[in-house]
Amino acid sequence: GAGVSQSPSNKVTEKGKDVELRCDPISGHTALYWYRQSLGQGLEFLIYFQGNSAPDKSGLPSDRFSAERTGGSVSTLTIQRTQQEDSAVYLCASSPRPYNEQFFGPGTRLTVL
Amino acid sequence: SQQGEEDPQALSIQEGENATMNCSYKTSINNLQWYRQNSGRGLVHLILIRSNEREKHSGRLRVTLDTSKKSSSLLITASRAADTASYFCATDGATSGSRLTFGEGTQLTVNP
Repeated sequence: GAGVSQSPSNKVTEKGKDVELRCDPISGHTALYWYRQSLGQGLEFLIYFQGNSAPDKSGLPSDRFSAERTGGSVSTLTIQRTQQEDSAVYLCASSPRPYNEQFFGPGTRLTVL
Repeated sequence: SQQGEEDPQALSIQEGENATMNCSYKTSINNLQWYRQNSGRGLVHLILIRSNEREKHSGRLRVTLDTSKKSSSLLITASRAADTASYFCATDGATSGSRLTFGEGTQLTVNP
């Protein structure tokens, strides 16, 4: 079956612009996670959605970052007023339920000039 | 912050040899997962081992877990050039919830 998909695969933007990153999880997966990977910080958790529960936003690095998940499926991660330190690969993962295997998408490489 | 540390950071072997990578973590876990990453993009799930399990096999992969030492190892037998990649361990836990905390990764190079 189809895996997790993310779009765009690459995004180059200018400092100060807003960007939206999209994640389509595996159908039927209730848990959805966002992570990012950068050279200095490794792989780090950003935000987690589970069903209709309030998301766990504890990993978001600043209030410029937000995310939503519509209809329990597609998720969008929005970064406002991008900064150069936001440059990273943003990875989305989904899981059939919490505490199970997480399946990752191919990522979006964000470059902020 | 990184929960785990992988050892070694880099490993270079010849095709056909076995590769062993180790992972240590700091807090109590529910599960530990191993992932492979090629070219800095998507992570491929390899295996999940639960805290009440000690060993798990999948094809050429063998994972062990020692919760008393807070450590895990990944063994790849009869390695192939296609196994060249970065390997990460990731844990979830009682206090951190189901989000994954990743180690620094081991870069494995298998020379033909």
